Amino acid sequence: DVKVTQSSRYLVKRTGEKVFLECVQDMDHENMFWYRQDPGLGLRLIYFSYDVKMKEKGDIPEGYSVSREKKERFSLILESASTNQTSMYLCASSFTGVVYGYTFGSGTRLTIV
Amino acid sequence: GQQLNQSPQSMFIQEGEDVSMNCTSSSIFNTWLWYKQDPGEGPVLLIALYKAGELTSNGRLTAQFGITRKDSFLNISASIPSDVGIYFCAGPLGAGGFKTIFGAGTRLFVKA
Repeated sequence: DVKVTQSSRYLVKRTGEKVFLECVQDMDHENMFWYRQDPGLGLRLIYFSYDVKMKEKGDIPEGYSVSREKKERFSLILESASTNQTSMYLCASSFTGVVYGYTFGSGTRLTIV
Repeated sequence: GQQLNQSPQSMFIQEGEDVSMNCTSSSIFNTWLWYKQDPGEGPVLLIALYKAGELTSNGRLTAQFGITRKDSFLNISASIPSDVGIYFCAGPLGAGGFKTIFGAGTRLFVKA
C-alpha cells in the first residue's frame, strides 16, 4: 500500500526550540509539499520541492525552512518555534506532469507551548 | 492572491439525505479536485475533473466542472455516517500544477 508517512502524529515543543518534522514517501514521487491546516483557513502551502535539493517557497514560508537531501524524504524545520506555529502540518507528494492530485500523510499536530 | 470560496462552511444533515456543496473562484482553473479528510487523517482525493462541463461520479459522489471554469460542485446522495469529515475543493496553479490551492473546506456532520 503506497503511502506518505509523517514521523509524529502529535508533538509538543517549547517556544524558541528548533523543531524538525519528517516526511517519507514510497511512491517515487518527484514533488513533495508541506501544508499547514488551521480551522477556517483550509490548507496553506508552506514550501514545496520538485526535485532533490530543490525547494520553492509557498504562500506562508516565514519562520520555516525545508530540506530535501533524498528523493523520498522532505523535512520541515521551524527555526525558532513560536506559539502561532501551533497547527496541523500535512505533508504530501505527487508525480510531475499529469495532475492526479496529491497523496497526503496523516498529519502532525504540533503544539508550541 | 487567488482564493477558492467553499460553501457552506458546515452542514448538519440526517442520514439518508442528499448533500450539495460548491466551490467558486474569481480565476479560471483547468482542473478541479475534490478531497475528503476523515477526522485525524490527511485528505484523500475523491474526484478529479479535467474538462469544463464534465460530470464525474465515484459511488454516491458526483462532481461537476462548471462551464465557466470558475466553479465546481460536489453532491453526495443518500448520506451515511461515514460521510462525516471535511470536504475540500482544490485547483492546481501554473504549469505542472506544482502549487495547488485549497478551499477552506465544508465540514459535514451526519446524524444517524
